[in-house]
Amino acid sequence: AQSVTQPDIHITVSEGASLELRCNYSYGATPYLFWYVQSPGQGLQLLLKYFSGDTLVQGIKGFEAEFKRSQSSFNLRKPSVHWSDAAEYFCAVGTPDFGNEKLTFGTGTRLTIIP
Amino acid sequence: DGGITQSPKYLFRKEGQNVTLSCEQNLNHDAMYWYRQDPGQGLRLIYYSQIVNDFQKGDIAEGYSVSREKKESFPLTVTSAQKNPTAFYLCASSIRDRHSNQPQHFGDGTRLSIL
Repeated sequence: AQSVTQPDIHITVSEGASLELRCNYSYGATPYLFWYVQSPGQGLQLLLKYFSGDTLVQGIKGFEAEFKRSQSSFNLRKPSVHWSDAAEYFCAVGTPDFGNEKLTFGTGTRLTIIP
Repeated sequence: DGGITQSPKYLFRKEGQNVTLSCEQNLNHDAMYWYRQDPGQGLRLIYYSQIVNDFQKGDIAEGYSVSREKKESFPLTVTSAQKNPTAFYLCASSIRDRHSNQPQHFGDGTRLSIL
């Protein structure tokens, strides 16, 4: 079975600084990988996804993520954060197994932005 | 606009009472999911359905029940057997695609509390 680890429970960065949120997965083959963002009291919004091909994936709101097979990682990055990026971020993994379209989510990383 | 509608946004349950959370989607998605979210634990899958009149247990199905009589609707009943029902419940849906794992789209959630 697949699993996902987000090692950082809470990260604080200054507005305008760069950001990297870590995600490590466990799966025997190449998984499908997703990053979602959640504002307080809201549902999850998809930021980006990786299925195959180019390992650097561009998403919405200026986010990108890089799939590194050798490190089993899919870290999320943004060159310059805005106060509106304060939220909780979830990494998720799915498997290329039609008929088993479940996602496994990490426990999330809460991002705080300071002026 | 297409999307997923969860109702009510807030729900209160008395001890020993069953309550039903509504989830409706107009995205024409085949697959639907219910998650429970607790602080620090990320999202845990309760039940999922890949097609009308069929559903499977997720990781934490005990004390919950679902039905899938229509493609658009996937209600979740929290029964009196669920001893710790206070949580934020999220419904999601996705396309079923034999060649890729499509991202899930989420509703805005229902917060259930015990009186």
